[in-house]
Amino acid sequence: DQQVKQNSPSLSVQEGRISILNCDYTNSMFDYFLWYKKYPAEGPTFLISISSIKDKNEDGRFTVFLNKSAKHLSLHIVPSQPGDSAVYFCAAFNNAGNMLTFGGGTRLMVKP
Amino acid sequence: GAGVSQSPSNKVTEKGKDVELRCDPISGHTALYWYRQSLGQGLEFLIYFQGNSAPDKSGLPSDRFSAERTGGSVSTLTIQRTQQEDSAVYLCASSSLGQPQHFGDGTRLSIL
Repeated sequence: DQQVKQNSPSLSVQEGRISILNCDYTNSMFDYFLWYKKYPAEGPTFLISISSIKDKNEDGRFTVFLNKSAKHLSLHIVPSQPGDSAVYFCAAFNNAGNMLTFGGGTRLMVKP
Repeated sequence: GAGVSQSPSNKVTEKGKDVELRCDPISGHTALYWYRQSLGQGLEFLIYFQGNSAPDKSGLPSDRFSAERTGGSVSTLTIQRTQQEDSAVYLCASSSLGQPQHFGDGTRLSIL
């Protein structure tokens, strides 16, 4: 039973355009959401997060949107750069639990 | 360095052998987590340590898996009588309370 799903295993975008990565969750107890970026042979690195009391959080080129009623969040990267090419994981946390629940990841390829 | 350090980076062993994987968390981080990522999959929670509290072992897949954290710092994940399905990248993360987790680069375990 996957509580966090990333339905697109891969996404290809042209440099300079917007990348939109999507994530859906089923557990209404989740109250904090994070995006991690992972390069090959490296551990995931924290990118951006959002609390369930907000619907948007922005940090430079990265913006995360949360739609609680739809149990959906998305990560927008604009403008996309070739160095953004990586696997992006969505993760969710609830204050009653002790661990992050991860989605399966989306591989983003930004073409020059 | 200042990040989470894991060793070895790669481990190849024969089926049935025991293996130990080590994690040095970021100094001062009270929480330590182990995850694994099997080929083509997302990150799967294994175990969580918080301070001196009893660990949350709810993610360990079988009794062949165990982990300890000595002195509230270094952690060792032990897999006994390894099986081929144990082949994966094992990731360690640490965090301060309420803060995003920081990951090491993982140990790639291959069981022949």
